[in-house]
Amino acid sequence: SQQGEEDPQALSIQEGENATMNCSYKTSINNLQWYRQNSGRGLVHLILIRSNEREKHSGRLRVTLDTSKKSSSLLITASRAADTASYFCATETYNNNDMRFGAGTRLTVKP
Amino acid sequence: ETGVTQSPTHLIKTRGQQVTLRCSSQSGHNTVSWYQQALGQGPQFIFQYYREEENGRGNFPPRFSGLQFPNYSSELNVNALELDDSALYLCASSLETGYGYTFGSGTRLTVV
Repeated sequence: SQQGEEDPQALSIQEGENATMNCSYKTSINNLQWYRQNSGRGLVHLILIRSNEREKHSGRLRVTLDTSKKSSSLLITASRAADTASYFCATETYNNNDMRFGAGTRLTVKP
Repeated sequence: ETGVTQSPTHLIKTRGQQVTLRCSSQSGHNTVSWYQQALGQGPQFIFQYYREEENGRGNFPPRFSGLQFPNYSSELNVNALELDDSALYLCASSLETGYGYTFGSGTRLTVV
């Protein structure tokens, strides 16, 4: 069963704009991770945020985590056409060794 | 450093047949997980291996089985293939859980 739910399901923006994707989850977590997937191929790890962290940055990416609301957001600033991909959040819990993914947000950045 | 390598990249099988998918983990990674991703869906956890032992299993029937070898490479075996098994199968390796995973490019399995 899936743990995370991304919102929106699809997002279309112009190059240079910012893109924000949200993720909600159901149970207590150890960490939350964001991945990117191009054209149904392998996933690329973007960023991991632990349950005791609230915000993390990596280049043009900013991730926030609100454990009280069981939600996270991924912000991509100054988007580029190459950012066009599907973005997934995934959670790991303390008790299980599975990483659970949501259904993803399909981001399209128009040049 | 090499990444995660999966083989084959594409495969077509007939319903009822058996299939073996292979994965070479990233150098130094002792944990490998397998995922099934249907079209338009997120990856679904099949199982995880840590140092050659199964270390967690998702909601998949026993006809999905796996192995991890001493060099930490891995296999996913699926018996009695069904049409719904058609999907992208992803292998991911990690040093340990909680550190992020490196994914392979996947094997696209089509069952006809």
